[in-house]
Amino acid sequence: AQSVTQPDIHITVSEGASLELRCNYSYGATPYLFWYVQSPGQGLQLLLKYFSGDTLVQGIKGFEAEFKRSQSSFNLRKPSVHWSDAAEYFCAVGAGNAGNMLTFGGGTRLMVKP
Amino acid sequence: DAGVIQSPRHEVTEMGQEVTLRCKPISGHDYLFWYRQTMMRGLELLIYFNNNVPIDDSGMPEDRFSAKMPNASFSTLKIQPSEPRDSAVYFCASSLGSQGNYGYTFGSGTRLTVV
Repeated sequence: AQSVTQPDIHITVSEGASLELRCNYSYGATPYLFWYVQSPGQGLQLLLKYFSGDTLVQGIKGFEAEFKRSQSSFNLRKPSVHWSDAAEYFCAVGAGNAGNMLTFGGGTRLMVKP
Repeated sequence: DAGVIQSPRHEVTEMGQEVTLRCKPISGHDYLFWYRQTMMRGLELLIYFNNNVPIDDSGMPEDRFSAKMPNASFSTLKIQPSEPRDSAVYFCASSLGSQGNYGYTFGSGTRLTVV
């Protein structure tokens, strides 16, 4: 079975600074990988996904993530953070087999300092 | 498409009362998921359906919880009787395929408070 670890529970960055949120997964083959964002009082919204091909994927709101097989990682990045990016971010992994559900990480809460 | 629609957005009820949460998935999606989110336990999968059939309910906490999907456009999650420890945000999500080529689409959630 697959698993996901988000090592950072909380991260604080200054507005305008760059951001990297870490995600490590465990799965024997090439996984399906997702990043979701949850704003306060809202449901989870899909930011981006990786299935195959180019290991650097672009998402909405200026986010990108890079799949690194050798490190079993799928870190989320943004070059310049805006105050509206303050939210909780979830990484998720799927195993690519029919009937196999997504597994979500514990989330990383991002706070943005003015 | 209006997305996944959940109702009510907020529910406050007294301990021992029955609570019913509702969900309308995206038209054409064949999977429906019920999640519970708390500060202590994070996001937990309670149950999921495929083509209206419950596939795995191993995440349902206890017999007080039940879920139904009478048709492709409607699902309910019922708690009877409710207890204070059931207080949480309950999310419904739907997808095309078990992992969704486009990921899962989540509703806005129902915030349940049991007093």
